[in-house]
Amino acid sequence: RKEVEQDPGPFNVPEGATVAFNCTYSNSASQSFFWYRQDCRKEPKLLMSVYSSGNEDGRFTAQLNRASQYISLLIRDSKLSDSATYLCVVNMAGNQFYFGTGTSLTVIP
Amino acid sequence: EPEVTQTPSHQVTQMGQEVILRCVPISNHLYFYWYRQILGQKVEFLVSFYNNEISEKSEIFDDQFSVERPDGSNFTLKIRSTKLEDSAMYFCASMRGREYEQFFGPGTRLTVL
Repeated sequence: RKEVEQDPGPFNVPEGATVAFNCTYSNSASQSFFWYRQDCRKEPKLLMSVYSSGNEDGRFTAQLNRASQYISLLIRDSKLSDSATYLCVVNMAGNQFYFGTGTSLTVIP
Repeated sequence: EPEVTQTPSHQVTQMGQEVILRCVPISNHLYFYWYRQILGQKVEFLVSFYNNEISEKSEIFDDQFSVERPDGSNFTLKIRSTKLEDSAMYFCASMRGREYEQFFGPGTRLTVL
């Protein structure tokens, strides 16, 4: 079983659309959760940490459901600059971080 | 804004040769990591380093790999005898503390011929 699973997409959405990405993780003892974005051939960059109570940063909302071992990312009012691959990252235990395969998003004018 | 730096940006080597990839983490960070990403695939954890020793390593990180923090600023990844399948982007990351996020360097693209 994969440690972190994501729908790879691709998601192609028009500007202004709302899009949601999902991620599941295998280890119930996982401790911390993040969404990163990765542009083509670039390093991952933190988008937001994910907290149990859910958190919002502008157009981005992240949710964590520990019971279902599920993380989500909602992007509202999509911009062209949101086009990237979105990576779900989980710190399962100790000092090891697992990445999902990423979900590709293209925002179309 | 402080950032993680990596050198070189691109390394080309012959199969069987040793390579050393270099990273300078953010200065007040305490946790250091190496990851690799084969083209078109996911980012894979290799090793984490804390308090001058390896804290975790993955199955990928076999005897051909080693890490060092020789001088308190640099953090290196050595591959002793490179294989074709070692061709990938190698990312270094650092983290201030256990409850914080990781910051990634721009990566070193390793090509093994």
